[in-house]
Amino acid sequence: QQQVKQSPQSLIVQKGGISIINCAYENTAFDYFPWYQQFPGKGPALLIAIRPDVSEKKEGRFTISFNKSAKQFSLHIMDSQPGDSATYFCAASGGYGGSQGNLIFGKGTKLSVKP
Amino acid sequence: ETGVTQSPTHLIKTRGQQVTLRCSSQSGHNTVSWYQQALGQGPQFIFQYYREEENGRGNFPPRFSGLQFPNYSSELNVNALELDDSALYLCASSLIGTNGYTFGSGTRLTVV
Repeated sequence: QQQVKQSPQSLIVQKGGISIINCAYENTAFDYFPWYQQFPGKGPALLIAIRPDVSEKKEGRFTISFNKSAKQFSLHIMDSQPGDSATYFCAASGGYGGSQGNLIFGKGTKLSVKP
Repeated sequence: ETGVTQSPTHLIKTRGQQVTLRCSSQSGHNTVSWYQQALGQGPQFIFQYYREEENGRGNFPPRFSGLQFPNYSSELNVNALELDDSALYLCASSLIGTNGYTFGSGTRLTVV
């Protein structure tokens, strides 16, 4: 069964600290791993994504680390800010478009950044 | 460039009724996918439409059906509503062959 397991369920970080969220997957056919940010009352918004041919991708304060052999990937938020408080979802998909392109989501991590 | 818009934003239905949710895709996108997000859970894939036909389906019963129109907008229909159908229903559009999904803000469906 295709699954993406995400941890922790919730996370409290002080302003300026590093937030780390982890995900593990099972299906080796997955080739696209995005992270989404969702605020209350809004739909998920793409934050950053990676493909398995690279081990790390950085965009501003957000970094994805990818370990293909362990089938794990993680999101690091550097210098966390109160405005980063949201629910974060990891996801995976198995290819471009079609039914292979649908996203399999983790259960989410609720991040609270304390001032 | 307009994003994905969904209507209505909130809806209350009685068990056994039928409901239709609507979605307008982002300009330039030609696929529409629907997801169900239960409270405290990640979105779950219902189905995707491309060229007005179903192009992939998740583990949802046939009472969940959809349509895509020539302008790439879409409808999600759910028959014989059950209490467990209460959720946020998200629409996402993309350009076929890419992974660039744009999500709408969703329709919050409550079944009583």
